Amino acid sequence: GDSVTQMEGPVTLSEEAFLTINCTYTATGYPSLFWYVQYPGEGLQLLLKATKADDKGSNKGFEATYRKETTSFHLEKGSVQVSDSAVYFCALDKAAGNKLTFGGGTRVLVKP
Amino acid sequence: DADVTQTPRNRITKTGKRIMLECSQTKGHDRMYWYRQDPGLGLRLIYYSFDVKDINKGEISDGYSVSRQAQAKFSLSLESAIPNQTALYFCATSVAGADTQYFGPGTRLTVL
Repeated sequence: GDSVTQMEGPVTLSEEAFLTINCTYTATGYPSLFWYVQYPGEGLQLLLKATKADDKGSNKGFEATYRKETTSFHLEKGSVQVSDSAVYFCALDKAAGNKLTFGGGTRVLVKP
Repeated sequence: DADVTQTPRNRITKTGKRIMLECSQTKGHDRMYWYRQDPGLGLRLIYYSFDVKDINKGEISDGYSVSRQAQAKFSLSLESAIPNQTALYFCATSVAGADTQYFGPGTRLTVL
């Protein structure tokens, strides 16, 4: 079946550091790929998405590129802020069925 | 006002009790979902509904039931709660043909 694997956290960084969170997936066909973010005490919200190979999703300084050859969708940000402290989830949606398959989540803590 | 609301936000109950978690949305979306979140496991789909008369099991539906009372309301029931149902529960909504889901703030359920 479909699956999403993320690097385990927590990831602890200093402010202005570079952030990478690895995400790989297993799925047949051509799924859409997503990063959702969960801030403390809140529900998940969409951070960015990509719907086909080589697409780059971007939002709030975060970027991720859909790499079909490596089945990956790694999340990056060049300079993190304390406000980026959250749990980040990689997810896929196959065949536009709106049934998301999530990775286990990666907690990121940014220290001033 | 929040577009997707969940009640209660926190609940502590005892083994064997019946519990209902409620979700309401003002987004006008036709699709609604229930997930549970466990540490390290990400979110897993319990049930989903593409319209009022269409309800489907997700990957972990055992021990749960749902009711779609109206387009805007989707309730999750635990008929006889057990301790391993202790988790954070999220409701989400989406529009048919669109791939973004919108999440409520979550309900933290503890079964003693």
